[in-house]
Amino acid sequence: QSVLTQPPSASGTPGQRVIVSCSGSSSNIGGNNVYWFQQLPGTAPKLLIYGTSKRPSGVPDRFSGSKSGTSASLAISGLRSEDEADYYCAAWDDSLSGVFFGGGTKLTVL
Amino acid sequence: QVQLQESGPGLVKPSQTLSLTCTVSGDSSTIGGFYWTWIRQPAGKGLEWIGRIYISGSTNYNPSLKSRVTISLDASKKQFSLRLDSVTAADTAVYYCARAEYSCDYDYWGQGTLVTVSS
Repeated sequence: QSVLTQPPSASGTPGQRVIVSCSGSSSNIGGNNVYWFQQLPGTAPKLLIYGTSKRPSGVPDRFSGSKSGTSASLAISGLRSEDEADYYCAAWDDSLSGVFFGGGTKLTVL
Repeated sequence: QVQLQESGPGLVKPSQTLSLTCTVSGDSSTIGGFYWTWIRQPAGKGLEWIGRIYISGSTNYNPSLKSRVTISLDASKKQFSLRLDSVTAADTAVYYCARAEYSCDYDYWGQGTLVTVSS
């Protein structure tokens, strides 16, 4: 059983808003910041969201992050074909003293 | 800008030791103040955090790998290294090195290097 749980897939049409969820526990998401990464095929992951809801310079404001209790979400609005990628959440776990990634969500733009 | 580059053998025999080095370069390539991290990804699968080291020498490892992993840092050479003992086919993956200022804010990554465990 993964420490952080993501749905394996998500999809949407261009222009739509899609939400990717990440479920954890009080020792990780519940008490720490959440991070999101985008990985295009054959490339290293790219930091998309840090500190649960902050965007690094250069990341479009179409991407937003939030959390409630022990779950976090990545919202992508105005979906574009170039958003088709794998998305991973990550958080520090206080009990296990390590960083854990979710299993990843493959986003398909229909 | 900061660049990270992994280097090491692409093929390791079962039961042997996997050794990789990550070299940090660039105008802003200070070693202090960051967690230097190894992450791996088996083909077609998700990301797995292996462990990290701070300038102080303090380390944290994934509990599932802790008995086999050692991460070290040579600040003078701006390099940090991964050693994974007693490898099996399950350790075949693309290995990435990355930098974080806090816990998981990996802003710079290496391009990744494929390590295959096979006889």
